[in-house]
Amino acid sequence: GAVVSQHPSRVICKSGTSVKIECRSLDFQATTMFWYRQFPKQSLMLMATSNEGSKATYEQGVEKDKFLINHASLTLSTLTVTSAHPEDSSFYICSGRGQQDQPQHFGDGTRLSIL
Amino acid sequence: GQQLNQSPQSMFIQEGEDVSMNCTSSSIFNTWLWYKQEPGEGPVLLIALYKAGELTSNGRLTAQFGITRKDSFLNISASIPSDVGIYFCAGQSNNAGNMLTFGGGTRLMVKP
Repeated sequence: GAVVSQHPSRVICKSGTSVKIECRSLDFQATTMFWYRQFPKQSLMLMATSNEGSKATYEQGVEKDKFLINHASLTLSTLTVTSAHPEDSSFYICSGRGQQDQPQHFGDGTRLSIL
Repeated sequence: GQQLNQSPQSMFIQEGEDVSMNCTSSSIFNTWLWYKQEPGEGPVLLIALYKAGELTSNGRLTAQFGITRKDSFLNISASIPSDVGIYFCAGQSNNAGNMLTFGGGTRLMVKP
């Protein structure tokens, strides 16, 4: 149980393009969803937290106008990287959590490459 | 902010050997979690620990929640090649909205 599906798994696009990544909880209701960024050989860095139906809370240094997050339902959150540039290239991972005291379950990540 | 020190950073062992890794923190956590991440994939939850002193097993994996609530260890017995990956500890605190704080990861390599 507790499966999180993330799509697409890989995106290659031109600079200036906007890219949308979807995160779905398949067999549980994710009251809270999280978006992380991971650089090579590093740990996960939290970008933002979103609760269903509320605006996302962004970590310090993460531009909310650059990384648009929508959590419209208990099973779907989306991250849109707007006007992406090469420095936005990274591995983006989402996770979902049911109740507050339950562990987070992660998607398989999206490798974003901006040319 | 909270910091988790995870060690060792990497291990290169022979198949069949036992492995031990640990995480320490300057802060108390209510939950300790251990995840494994393989290349190009997201972390997969291995073990969740909810009580100080708790010792939990999942197959060849055993993890403990330290009595002080500031540390945890993960042991892997009789390692096999498919154990290769990066293992992350993560602490979860009620004081921090149950957000996860991750350790830096332990990269495990197993020689057949």
